[in-house]
Amino acid sequence: DAEITQSPRHKITETGRQVTLACHQTWNHNNMFWYRQDLGHGLRLIHYSYGVQDTNKGEVSDGYSVSRSNTEDLPLTLESAASSQTSVYFCASSDGTGVEQYFGPGTRLTVT
Amino acid sequence: AQSVTQLGSHVSVSEGALVLLRCNYSSSVPPYLFWYVQYPNQGLQLLLKYTSAATLVKGINGFEAEFKKSETSFHLTKPSAHMSDAAEYFCAVTGNDYKLSFGAGTTVTVRA
Repeated sequence: DAEITQSPRHKITETGRQVTLACHQTWNHNNMFWYRQDLGHGLRLIHYSYGVQDTNKGEVSDGYSVSRSNTEDLPLTLESAASSQTSVYFCASSDGTGVEQYFGPGTRLTVT
Repeated sequence: AQSVTQLGSHVSVSEGALVLLRCNYSSSVPPYLFWYVQYPNQGLQLLLKYTSAATLVKGINGFEAEFKKSETSFHLTKPSAHMSDAAEYFCAVTGNDYKLSFGAGTTVTVRA
């Protein structure tokens, strides 16, 4: 069965370190998204991609970057982790209709 | 641009009572609307979606929502709450750009 996976599921890192969160989907979807979830804010869009070599900034992109070298993967990099980036991160993908997004299980990141 | 407002961050209902979660949206284009549920320490699961077909949408677990363009609303209901309905619920909207905008979420507590 097609799926979307995220790794690691839990990560603790120190302020200033570079961190990369992986997202891999086997749906063969063109569209991929990264969100962060914080209490009282719901989910907010960090970055998104409509296809290979395409990346776009979302609502809360400062301090984050993504790259899309193939259809299946959209890794999210925190260039220099900050305590404000402690959050739960969700990856999602959708097909060309864009009607429904399928979500991964999430990564809980703690920056100390 | 699209946005969603969920009225009430917490809702407490008795088992067997009506569940009503309110969602109002803003969109410059005909919207697609969604309700997601998140159980503790889990990812997001799609409850139901509106994609411009029938205005009354039935979802999983006995939930349904009605799209009312005149009121820009997409309220979620379930006639009889069950203990297993205790979770956080998110309303979301997307337009032509495939990006989801989420509400802040409503936490449902079910009293025995």
